[in-house]
Amino acid sequence: NAGVTQTPKFQVLKTGQSMTLQCAQDMNHNSMYWYRQDPGMGLRLIYYSASEGTTDKGEVPNGYNVSRLNKREFSLRLESAAPSQTSVYFCASRGQNNQPQHFGDGTRLSIL
Amino acid sequence: SQELEQSPQSLIVQEGKNLTINCTSSKTLYGLYWYKQKYGEGLIFLMMLQKGGEEKSHEKITAKLDEKKQQSSLHITASQPSHAGTYLCGADRSSNYQLIWGAGTKLIIKP
Repeated sequence: NAGVTQTPKFQVLKTGQSMTLQCAQDMNHNSMYWYRQDPGMGLRLIYYSASEGTTDKGEVPNGYNVSRLNKREFSLRLESAAPSQTSVYFCASRGQNNQPQHFGDGTRLSIL
Repeated sequence: SQELEQSPQSLIVQEGKNLTINCTSSKTLYGLYWYKQKYGEGLIFLMMLQKGGEEKSHEKITAKLDEKKQQSSLHITASQPSHAGTYLCGADRSSNYQLIWGAGTKLIIKP
């Protein structure tokens, strides 16, 4: 009963390093999302994918890229990490527009 | 400013007491979702409301959406330590794929 799986759970990077956060869902959902959560800021949408083969920018896309590899997988890439990208990153998926989003457990990312 | 305003930002309640958390928008909401998040964990879906005047309950938690579909409340009866965490509301504003989110209400239950 996996739902939405994110890897890794924790990561420490140095400024300028790159990395990819992985997300996979096994619920056959069409839409997938990447959020960041910072204290006092709530959830902010980075990118989303309404369906396989499409991606769109959210509220805070700068410094990130995404790939919707197939219907199950949606990855988030930081090309050149900056301390401002220290955050908790959540992936979510959704079957239809009038249904709830389902979240992974998050990736806690620190950039030094 | 948040498009969805949650109040209060934080709440400390004696175990056994009732409490209410509110989520308000200046625009009509097409769907309203309540989630709970424990510290260091992901968001767990609680309930979804779509129709004006709708009310749903699960165990000791009741969520309501007003007739104008601009305000929702989450009411917990006889609070328990297991209710502690942060509660977030999310909402559809139109037919697009994105949700808007409140900033969350942190609930602490005093034994």
